[in-house]
This record gives sequence, structure tokens and C-alpha cells, in this order.
Amino acid sequence: SQTIHQWPATLVQPVGSPLSLECTVEGTSNPNLYWYRQAAGRGLQLLFYSVGIGQISSEVPQNLSASRPQDRQFILSSKKLLLSDSGFYLCAWSVTGANSPLHFGNGTRLTVT
Amino acid sequence: AQSVTQPDIHITVSEGASLELRCNYSYGATPYLFWYVQSPGQGLQLLLKYFSGDTLVQGIKGFEAEFKRSQSSFNLRKPSVHWSDAAEYFCAVVYYGGSQGNLIFGKGTKLSVKP
Repeated sequence: SQTIHQWPATLVQPVGSPLSLECTVEGTSNPNLYWYRQAAGRGLQLLFYSVGIGQISSEVPQNLSASRPQDRQFILSSKKLLLSDSGFYLCAWSVTGANSPLHFGNGTRLTVT
Repeated sequence: AQSVTQPDIHITVSEGASLELRCNYSYGATPYLFWYVQSPGQGLQLLLKYFSGDTLVQGIKGFEAEFKRSQSSFNLRKPSVHWSDAAEYFCAVVYYGGSQGNLIFGKGTKLSVKP
């Protein structure tokens, strides 16, 4: 069966520090991969999605970047964190097709101080 | 522009009572519709989905939802709520021919359950 791993679960980082959140998927090949951010009262915001290695679509211009160095690995990064980067970050995967549901990881709670 | 509205930010129901969470969407094309549930500090779990056919769909945990094209709605229901149903619920829509990159979530409805 397919599983998705996301780490770390919680992270406290000072303003201006770098960020690296990692997500890996097991049990499937060539998944679509997603990074979402969830801020209180604002629902889910799609940050990046990828349909293949090295293919990244950015939905919102911001301080963050994403990379997909391997088929089932998706990384969210920042060179310098801002206070506004605080939030709950969710990785998700799906198979190709608009009617395919997303499968989410357990999320990373990021607090920028 | 496409949008998804969940009019109720927070709902409180008594355990054993019925539940209906509202979801309205704005699309010109045929939509694919989803309901997800999120427990505190966790990721989202798919409850049910609608693509075509019977407009009443059954999901996990005793939930169901009804697609009403005339009202552009996809409301989630449960006949008898359990305390473990306390969570946040998200409606999501993607239009036919789009991709999951076009999936749009509502802002969520937080459900509290009174004993």
C-alpha cells in the first residue's frame, strides 16, 4: 500500500534562517506531488505541485521554493524565513487525473520566531 | 473565477444529532467534488468524492453527500454524529478537464460535538 512520510512534525526557526521540509512517498511510481500551506482561518493554499522529476509549478510567488530530486521525493525550501512563513505545511500525492483524490501527509507545524 | 464556499466557519452539534455541512461552488463546467476531514494537527483524509452518476454518494465513517447541480451545492451529511467526528471539514472542487493543480478548497468548517 502507498504511504507518505513528511518530516519534521514540528519546527521552530528564527527569522532569516533556512528551511528544508522533506516529503517522500512509498508504494507508487510517478505520483503527482504537492505542497500546501494552511494558515488559521484561511484554508489550504497550494504552493507547488509537480508532475515529474524536476518539474515544478509554482502557484504563489513567495519566499519559498520546491524541488523534486527523485521520483518520490519532494522538498520545500527557503533561504531566509520570514515571520509570515509560519503555518502548517502539508505534503500530498495523487495519481494523474483530475478526479484522483489527494493523499496527505501528517503535516509540519512551522513557527518562525 | 472558480470558488468554493463553506458558509459555516464553526458548527456545534450534540452527540447523536444529525449533521449537515454546506458547500457551494462556482464553476461553469462539470465539477469533480470532494470532502476531506482533518483532525487537529493531522493531515487531511478523504471522506467521499463525486464524479458522475448517482448524486447521492456514500463515504467513510457513515458520511454521505448530495450533489445538486441546480443549487451548485455538495452538502455533507451524517444522520447521527459521534464525538469522534469533531474535526475540521473541507470541501474541494476541480473542474472536468482540469488537473489537481486546479483543485480548490473551501476554508473549512470546524465541527464541535457536545456530549
